[in-house]
Amino acid sequence: GENVEQHPSTLSVQEGDSAVIKCTYSDSASNYFPWYKQELGKRPQLIIDIRSNVGEKKDQRIAVTLNKTAKHFSLHITETQPEDSAVYFCAATGGYQKVTFGIGTKLQVIP
Amino acid sequence: DSGVTQTPKHLITATGQRVTLRCSPRSGDLSVYWYQQSLDQGLQFLIHYYNGEERAKGNILERFSAQQFPDLHSELNLSSLELGDSALYFCASSPRPTDMNTEAFFGQGTRLTVV
Repeated sequence: GENVEQHPSTLSVQEGDSAVIKCTYSDSASNYFPWYKQELGKRPQLIIDIRSNVGEKKDQRIAVTLNKTAKHFSLHITETQPEDSAVYFCAATGGYQKVTFGIGTKLQVIP
Repeated sequence: DSGVTQTPKHLITATGQRVTLRCSPRSGDLSVYWYQQSLDQGLQFLIHYYNGEERAKGNILERFSAQQFPDLHSELNLSSLELGDSALYFCASSPRPTDMNTEAFFGQGTRLTVV
């Protein structure tokens, strides 16, 4: 089955700096890669996603890159702000819509 | 508000008991997913239903079962509960057919505490 590895597990950055979270997946059939943000005590919410036919996608301060050959994808947050502090999950969706999540990255943005 | 409704929000029960968690997907969504999130842990995929049929299984224990009804709501049944089953259980729904992966919208979760 699919295996998604995510790192780092924790990340502290100064406000205004960039943050990068990386994920690798094992199933070459996976073709949809969403990123979710989960604030403390709240439900995960999609922040950006990318499909396997696209190499990069950007939405304001957030971007995601996908390298299908290497089976890894990354989340990039630029000009970080304190409200970016949360746990971020990557996920890979492959055959039969089986969704596999990474373990999560706890991002702390220090004012 | 994601449009996905989960009940109850909180549940406290004793070991050995059985509970049922309920999920109402967004209007029109055919897919329902169940996830378990233990304290400081990630999201563990349990099971996926599409239009009443089981489509994918994750690391779901045999003591757990789920179903999706004709009106598309879903129930997750947890039996012979153990202390380690204490967790936040999320339901998520998505609109697309099974051959098109898309965003899943999460409910607020049911916090289960087994004492």
